[in-house]
Amino acid sequence: NAGVMQNPRHLVRRRGQEARLRCSPMKGHSHVYWYRQLPEEGLKFMVYLQKENIIDESGMPKERFSAEFPKEGPSILRIQQVVRGDSAAYFCASSPVFTEAFFGQGTRLTVV
Amino acid sequence: TQLLEQSPQFLSIQEGENLTVYCNSSSVFSSLQWYRQEPGEGPVLLVTVVTGGEVKKLKRLTFQFGDARKDSSLHITAAQPGDTGLYLCAGDYGAGNMLTFGGGTRLMVKP
Repeated sequence: NAGVMQNPRHLVRRRGQEARLRCSPMKGHSHVYWYRQLPEEGLKFMVYLQKENIIDESGMPKERFSAEFPKEGPSILRIQQVVRGDSAAYFCASSPVFTEAFFGQGTRLTVV
Repeated sequence: TQLLEQSPQFLSIQEGENLTVYCNSSSVFSSLQWYRQEPGEGPVLLVTVVTGGEVKKLKRLTFQFGDARKDSSLHITAAQPGDTGLYLCAGDYGAGNMLTFGGGTRLMVKP
């Protein structure tokens, strides 16, 4: 999973600020997924994207959260006006087609 | 909503013991993956099973996929402290490769 690059690894934001999480998929992978993990809990699906398309965002909160995967560059998960409840580890995974997903090391967001 | 249930949630054993972790669903999987996650890291893929009844071995780990493709088990023989971590199963129900994760089993192997 070292091939999926997420940055930053740790991000601290004050309440009300914006958080931008970046994910560069493995070379040749065109499918990207974002998952959220609260402390001591499992992984919760947020959104599934292909290049320039959001395929499934059923796990995304309706407000303040958005994701994109542009033709060029990394996938971005954006959280506007962060609140303490957004503190979590956010993981990105990529896959080439409909096969296994490989995960990055995650971004740990702390809202203070 | 498709649910994936893992059991047990927590398991603490001594080095050298054997253990089995279970993953169950009421729906049929297209495929199922097992991951291990260590603290501060992302999940690492251990294995993918696709065929009902399939058994795969990875050193001391044995993965079995149920005949009906609704359940799976992970058996570890002679557990070692290095096996400590969070074990996650994830099912692909064929809905465009959106993986559904179980809640995980936290394993601690004491020396």
